[in-house]
Amino acid sequence: EIVLTQSPGTLSLSPGERATLSCRASQSVSSSYLAWYQQKPGQAPRLLIYGASSRATGIPDRFSGSGSGTDFTLTISRLEPEDFAVYYCQQYGSSPPVFTFGPGTKVDIK
Amino acid sequence: QVQLVQSGSELKKPGASVKVSCKASGYTFTSYAMNWVRQAPGQGLEWMGWINTNTGNPTYAQGFTGRFVFSLDTSVSTAYLQISSLKAEDTAVYYCARLSAPERGMEYYYYMDVWGKGTTVTVSS
Repeated sequence: EIVLTQSPGTLSLSPGERATLSCRASQSVSSSYLAWYQQKPGQAPRLLIYGASSRATGIPDRFSGSGSGTDFTLTISRLEPEDFAVYYCQQYGSSPPVFTFGPGTKVDIK
Repeated sequence: QVQLVQSGSELKKPGASVKVSCKASGYTFTSYAMNWVRQAPGQGLEWMGWINTNTGNPTYAQGFTGRFVFSLDTSVSTAYLQISSLKAEDTAVYYCARLSAPERGMEYYYYMDVWGKGTTVTVSS
């Protein structure tokens, strides 16, 4: 079973700063099976990035995803006040079918 | 618009059962599998499994076999999660989430693109 590790656990930044979030897999993951979600308190998760680097519908271009193999990154180029939230990476494994989430990175206001 | 509307919060006693519903609208229900995801208080997201809305065939993740049952009523575009013999540790928010698995350029992509708002299940005596 593939395990996802996210770092850092918490990222304290100011609005306007750049955020770089890491997601590392215990084994190689197909890029097309890697997604990122944003969750704000009391809300459902929202899809940000799928296929490691494709933005979901309606997601601002300040959000970008990159990476391959075991190392993936979510970058928020300039933090807006509404971007302070928890971010989860997720991978899909096909045999047997399973989705795995990382533990999350909380981006909070410095 | 595409949306998933979940049933309201539930307070149950240990040993009881609960059935959470997830009603889809704005798209063809049987064209997308439905996932269930659990989030315990203050914790991360945990995939419980999915149900093929075309065949009704469920797939359960490890740790979600036995007491957890996924079902459908395609006539009303609704997926259900039933949990029996409830325990205090089942206290959580339960989300349904649509599975999107498009093929593009010979590659398949898998992600959850539409989520319900969640149903809080509290198990307490």
